[in-house]
Amino acid sequence: EAQVTQNPRYLITVTGKKLTVTCSQNMNHEYMSWYRQDPGLGLRQIYYSMNVEVTDKGDVPEGYKVSRKEKRNFPLILESPSPNQTSLYFCASSPQDRVTGYTFGSGTRLTVV
Amino acid sequence: GESVGLHLPTLSVQEGDNSIINCAYSNSASDYFIWYKQESGKGPQFIIDIRSNMDKRQGQRVTVLLNKTVKHLSLQIAATQPGDSAVYFCAERPGGYNKLIFGAGTRLAVHP
Repeated sequence: EAQVTQNPRYLITVTGKKLTVTCSQNMNHEYMSWYRQDPGLGLRQIYYSMNVEVTDKGDVPEGYKVSRKEKRNFPLILESPSPNQTSLYFCASSPQDRVTGYTFGSGTRLTVV
Repeated sequence: GESVGLHLPTLSVQEGDNSIINCAYSNSASDYFIWYKQESGKGPQFIIDIRSNMDKRQGQRVTVLLNKTVKHLSLQIAATQPGDSAVYFCAERPGGYNKLIFGAGTRLAVHP
């Protein structure tokens, strides 16, 4: 089944403890992206990648890192999480380096206390 | 379910009626638009897209209309069903940028 897989689905952590949210897609898509979703704000882009070793900042990149060492994986790293990063996170992929219709993962609910 | 639907405008319709969800987009240079559906506890799902050189596109029970003059996008759902209950987002791709910008969303509530 063609899909984007995120892990974990739910995570509660403490301020300052480094964490990684994994994202993997099995569709051989070039384009991948991370979004956060907060009530009333819709989806805001954190980082995106047009291909292996090509990443760029989105609209809200502060406090986040990403890497794209393999085409299928695009992990999101929070080096020192803070409570304002409590949110619902989505990974998405698109079949071209020019973004069209995304396929989204099921989301990761992160709570930083 | 997730709390992303809080504070969103809500459209309530009777089962079997047609629904129209509206979206105002921000960038006159946007060249591509998409509608997504998000059910509680799930990621957004692609519904239908339209390019800026079109003003209408139809899918199965759904139609998207694009009015570039007033930067307005709408999603029409025919014969709305309980399974259509969800939050609906529009998204635009600004010309010259390789990204999608999402609207805040509208909750569709279908009543029997």
